Amino acid sequence: EVQLLESGGGLVQPGGSLRLSCAASGFTFSSYAMSWVRQAPGKGLEWVSAISGSGGSTYYADSVKGRFTISRDNSKNTLYLQMNSLRAEDTAVYYCAKVGMYYDILTGYQMGWFDPWGQGTLVTVSS
Amino acid sequence: SYELTQPPSVSVSPGQTARITCSGDALPKQYAYWYQQKPGQAPVLVIYKDSERPSGIPERFSGSSSGTTVTLTISGVQAEDEADYYCQSGDRTNSYRDVFGGGTKLTVL
Repeated sequence: EVQLLESGGGLVQPGGSLRLSCAASGFTFSSYAMSWVRQAPGKGLEWVSAISGSGGSTYYADSVKGRFTISRDNSKNTLYLQMNSLRAEDTAVYYCAKVGMYYDILTGYQMGWFDPWGQGTLVTVSS
Repeated sequence: SYELTQPPSVSVSPGQTARITCSGDALPKQYAYWYQQKPGQAPVLVIYKDSERPSGIPERFSGSSSGTTVTLTISGVQAEDEADYYCQSGDRTNSYRDVFGGGTKLTVL
């Protein structure tokens, strides 16, 4: 059974830093892209970042580009999100998710859906 | 910027059919995916690649696509289907990013 377990959330002051972790099990971690998605209190889902299986390609939402860094340690089956220069608007539950892939005849393998998701970890940015 | 538009709310009686739409300019070129989220829980994938249903998802959930609109259909709605539903797709044109619709609250009357 695929399991994803996030940790590292908590209360941090504006301008501070935090590193989230996502421990994966039940699948060949290095073969799959992974992603972070967040949800502010009472709001909808917002894609944050994604990383390829090898870690060689990374992608970010404009709202976090230059402040957040996604990485992975395939030897530890763990995904990370380093969050710097945190702002009040970064307050949210952060979910990690395994990315489903499909093959497009013109463009090759493409990242698609998120399944499954972890239970989430709450990050609160407040003074 | 690329956006996906969903109705904020849909209400149906038990046993009826609920249809939730999601509109976006890139949907003719990119697959859409649907997630169900119940209060206090993580989202769950219910439809992928416009109309494929993951194992374990009831047959009453189906998806379709027409032009710039994709639709999640729940036939014979049950009380347990009351939840928030989100569509998601990818912007792969000039850069890579994923986008979610604003979400639709399905209320079972």
